[in-house]
Amino acid sequence: DTGVSQNPRHKITKRGQNVTFRCDPISEHNRLYWYRQTLGQGPEFLTYFQNEAQLEKSRLLSDRFSAERPKGSFSTLEIQRTEQGDSAMYLCATGLAGATGELFFGEGSRLTVL
Amino acid sequence: AQSVTQLGSHVSVSEGALVLLRCNYSSSVPPYLFWYVQYPNQGLQLLLKYTSAATLVKGINGFEAEFKKSETSFHLTKPSAHMSDAAEYFCAVKLVNAGNMLTFGGGTRLMVKP
Repeated sequence: DTGVSQNPRHKITKRGQNVTFRCDPISEHNRLYWYRQTLGQGPEFLTYFQNEAQLEKSRLLSDRFSAERPKGSFSTLEIQRTEQGDSAMYLCATGLAGATGELFFGEGSRLTVL
Repeated sequence: AQSVTQLGSHVSVSEGALVLLRCNYSSSVPPYLFWYVQYPNQGLQLLLKYTSAATLVKGINGFEAEFKKSETSFHLTKPSAHMSDAAEYFCAVKLVNAGNMLTFGGGTRLMVKP
């Protein structure tokens, strides 16, 4: 257990529905990252926050995706109008700014879009 | 742009045999390098990291990796495989001052035969 908590662990939804995932980080970590992992692939960077500020977004993050970290603690990732191609594992990771880059990952939220 | 290549998406070894998982990176400046392990339905766990100190890095569970700048490689090894080593292994790279964002390779699934 890394101390990073994600929920729900599994979500099955129908195409067109909205889904939201939550990440609760290690409390002293000021950076929080979202990654997406599809079957047989490595994690792909989506976005990251330093405290409450969203500092970078990947071009993978279409306008149907939005992430927030309102108080610099927990974060949410919302996907609107889900598509079958959104089916993946969504991983949250946290770390410290200025550190050597080690990230601590949660167990992920698996999304299946029917 | 930085990238990571893991040669061999699947590697099979016998229990007790040497484990060698290959990772090559492309970067114009020395990066930080990481190996993570992922067990089924779990998040990623850090095995070891290279952060410009000693080029031979020892990690958990008997794994080690050697940074070779001339070969742009960071291969992961373990002298004697154990059944519990069966998992997916990911090599990742982070450029210094790159927001701690990690870029992952495609992963190598290690299978250990009895």
